[in-house]
Amino acid sequence: EAQLVDFGGGLVKPGGSLRLSCVASGFTFTSYAMSWVRQAPGKGLEWVSSIKNRGDDTYYADSVKGRFTISRDISSNTLYLQMNSLRAEDTAMYYCAKDFLGSVDHLGFDPWGQGTLVTVSS
Amino acid sequence: QSVLTQPPSASGTPGQRITISCSGSSSNIGTNTVSWYQQLPGTAPKLLIYSNVQRPSGVPDRFSGSKSGTSASLAISGLQSEDEADYYCASWDDSLNGRGVFGGGTKLTVL
Repeated sequence: EAQLVDFGGGLVKPGGSLRLSCVASGFTFTSYAMSWVRQAPGKGLEWVSSIKNRGDDTYYADSVKGRFTISRDISSNTLYLQMNSLRAEDTAMYYCAKDFLGSVDHLGFDPWGQGTLVTVSS
Repeated sequence: QSVLTQPPSASGTPGQRITISCSGSSSNIGTNTVSWYQQLPGTAPKLLIYSNVQRPSGVPDRFSGSKSGTSASLAISGLQSEDEADYYCASWDDSLNGRGVFGGGTKLTVL
């Protein structure tokens, strides 16, 4: 059974950095596109970033482009999100997710990680 | 303002059939497939529908999806109290070098 465990969130000051991790198990990591989705408190879902199965192409929401970097390590089956120049509006629960069919442009996410909370505040 | 437009709320009584709409454009729903998610309070979203009409195993056939042009719909028949949740549509958007887009979400209340 496919499973994702995401972690690395916490409290960080504006302008600071944080790296989120997502460890995958139960499926062939290199066969599936992976993504990060966030949800601000009391708000809806927001797509953040996606990476193709081999890591050769990445995509970002305008709100994070130039500040966040998505990457994947096939040796450890781990997805990362490096977040720099953090702002208060980045405060959210961050979820990693695997595409159900494998392609980056499908947006059918299953499963999801349990989520890791990022709070940006002074 | 979300790229995909959903009604903020919907309601129905047990046993009833309801639909939730999701409106997009030619660069997203008009070109790419639509997925639907259910989110219960305090939990991660759950995939209900993918590729417009497909259900993952384990999702009851009370849930069905459809797509026409630049719009999509989620139908729930035989409404149950445990269906009370937030529902989101999602699609890929080919503009701006490619990006994922979600609807703003619809809160379903079972009266």
